[in-house]
Amino acid sequence: QVQLQESGPGLVKPSQTLSLTCTVSGGSISSRDSYWSWIRQPPGKGLEWIGYISYSGKTYYNPSLKSRFTISADTSKNQFSLKVSSVNVADTAVYYCARSYGSGSYPDYWGQGTLVTVSS
Amino acid sequence: DIQMTQSPSSVSASVGDRVIITCRASQGISSWLAWYQQKPGKAPKLLIYAASSLQSGVPSRFSGSGSGTDFTLTISSLQPEDFATYYCQQANSFPLTFGGGTRVEIK
Repeated sequence: QVQLQESGPGLVKPSQTLSLTCTVSGGSISSRDSYWSWIRQPPGKGLEWIGYISYSGKTYYNPSLKSRFTISADTSKNQFSLKVSSVNVADTAVYYCARSYGSGSYPDYWGQGTLVTVSS
Repeated sequence: DIQMTQSPSSVSASVGDRVIITCRASQGISSWLAWYQQKPGKAPKLLIYAASSLQSGVPSRFSGSGSGTDFTLTISSLQPEDFATYYCQQANSFPLTFGGGTRVEIK
């Protein structure tokens, strides 16, 4: 059973860089055909897919989010991370990490989510 | 990006009712569609993938249908634990995009 757990600061100031980590257990992030995504949900709103890193280290980002987002992986720790630069209040959201298998299209295992608030 | 539109945005129903939620894609997505259930304070849970395939462990009262641009999620007999928000998600192309959600409330 794959389990994911997000960690990171709950509060970030505007213009700072947000860093979140997802620790994976019960499976390897290098497992063939696995894709590891970040998805966020502003309070009371819908879901927005940010991007993924694949088992081979390939990344893909949501073009609508411009270039402030970076996803990386540390295979030695079985973790993957999200960095968001120059955060603003619109980045306030619950951030989820999730796994897809195969084409990367259907996130089937999700972390519990972590609320990040951007405020001075 | 492919836009996903769900209707209704909310529905009030009683235990035992049949509930149907619809999702429309802004362009054809074949059968590349998933449905998720989300309860307050929890992560979304995958119910249906490939438009009509039931995820392991999901009760058979949930079913999905459709292809192209129009899809439905049906709950055949609503149970107390089914009161939640439901989202569709297209998987035809990246970026993955979600519908705005349908809240199923107790009547």
